[in-house]
Amino acid sequence: AQSVTQLGSHVSVSEGALVLLRCNYSSSVPPYLFWYVQYPNQGLQLLLKYTSAATLVKGINGFEAEFKKSETSFHLTKPSAHMSDAAEYFCAVSGPRGGKLIFGQGTELSVKP
Amino acid sequence: EAGVAQSPRYKIIEKRQSVAFWCNPISGHATLYWYQQILGQGPKLLIQFQNNGVVDDSQLPKDRFSAERLKGVDSTLKIQPAKLEDSAVYLCASSFTGNNSPLHFGNGTRLTVT
Repeated sequence: AQSVTQLGSHVSVSEGALVLLRCNYSSSVPPYLFWYVQYPNQGLQLLLKYTSAATLVKGINGFEAEFKKSETSFHLTKPSAHMSDAAEYFCAVSGPRGGKLIFGQGTELSVKP
Repeated sequence: EAGVAQSPRYKIIEKRQSVAFWCNPISGHATLYWYQQILGQGPKLLIQFQNNGVVDDSQLPKDRFSAERLKGVDSTLKIQPAKLEDSAVYLCASSFTGNNSPLHFGNGTRLTVT
């Protein structure tokens, strides 16, 4: 069975500060891992994905994530937060053949001026 | 390319009534998903189609929920009768194939059951 756990349902940072959103996964097979962002009243947009190639994955809008097998983690980071980054972020896992995604509970990111 | 289209955007019904949601995936996408997103939670898969066949409906409450994808393109999700706990956003997503292709999501239908 596969699952993801996002640590912290709400994270607040100041504009220009480091963003760190935590995700730990559980999977009995090599996982594919994803980060999605959801703005109010919109669907989910793919930020980045890990599919067993490079462990450091770069995505859109300056976000990146590092796959650490030893820690079963896939944390999302951005060096400098922007007001437009305020949104809900979801970590998700699928099996090596892809297909359906299993999502975490989500982390709401607030950015203070 | 045009994105995943869903309608309606919002729906308010009373409990025990019926409701249907419609999804038009991105052209050429063989795989279609329906997710339920309850407020404050991550999306939960209800059903996955590959063309017009069901791949996974293990979490679909089949006593009240049904879905179809006739002709392997558009899909409809129906709830009959609705319960208060069905209040959620229903998201449709599609992908080019089921394997290692990113999911593209529609904007969802927000259902409120009173």
